[in-house]
Amino acid sequence: AQSVAQPEDQVNVAEGNPLTVKCTYSVSGNPYLFWYVQYPNRGLQFLLKYITGDNLVKGSYGFEAEFNKSQTSFHLKKPSALVSDSALYFCAVRDSPGNTGKLIFGQGTTLQVKP
Amino acid sequence: SQTIHQWPATLVQPVGSPLSLECTVEGTSNPNLYWYRQAAGRGLQLLFYSVGIGQISSEVPQNLSASRPQDRQFILSSKKLLLSDSGFYLCAWTSGSWGSDQPQHFGDGTRLSIL
Repeated sequence: AQSVAQPEDQVNVAEGNPLTVKCTYSVSGNPYLFWYVQYPNRGLQFLLKYITGDNLVKGSYGFEAEFNKSQTSFHLKKPSALVSDSALYFCAVRDSPGNTGKLIFGQGTTLQVKP
Repeated sequence: SQTIHQWPATLVQPVGSPLSLECTVEGTSNPNLYWYRQAAGRGLQLLFYSVGIGQISSEVPQNLSASRPQDRQFILSSKKLLLSDSGFYLCAWTSGSWGSDQPQHFGDGTRLSIL
């Protein structure tokens, strides 16, 4: 069965420093991986996805993620954090192949960027 | 461009009252549609999904039901609300025609409080 784990409940970084939010996955077959961000009382916003190809994926708001097949990881990164990046971040993996489009989400990681 | 609308944004209901939350998608046809519940600003629980009109799949047994009376309309209902139905309800869609590599796109949610 497909699963995804976000090992950190919260990540704290100083503004201007690089940030990493961790995600590991377990899938049968090729992984389809996604990152989302959620601001308070809002829906999830899609940041980026990995389907195939280049292991470094670039997305919205300066975020990028690195797919590592040997470590089964898909960590979210940003070279220089902003206070406005403070939010809840979710990693997700596509459920079993098919046309349902279902996603399995991690439990989320709260990113706190301090000025 | 495609948009997704959920209403109401907030709702306060007494225990035992009925519920109807509506979600509509514009700018696409034959989307896959999803209802999630998010408790305490954390993980997402998939409640229902639909790959076509009148086709509803339930992920967990519960006090809620879903219907899809039109292609781009998804409704979450209950005949008698329980205290445990409180939470943040999110609707999402993805393209059904492009297969499983497309992200889900979320509405801004309904915060439901049961008194």
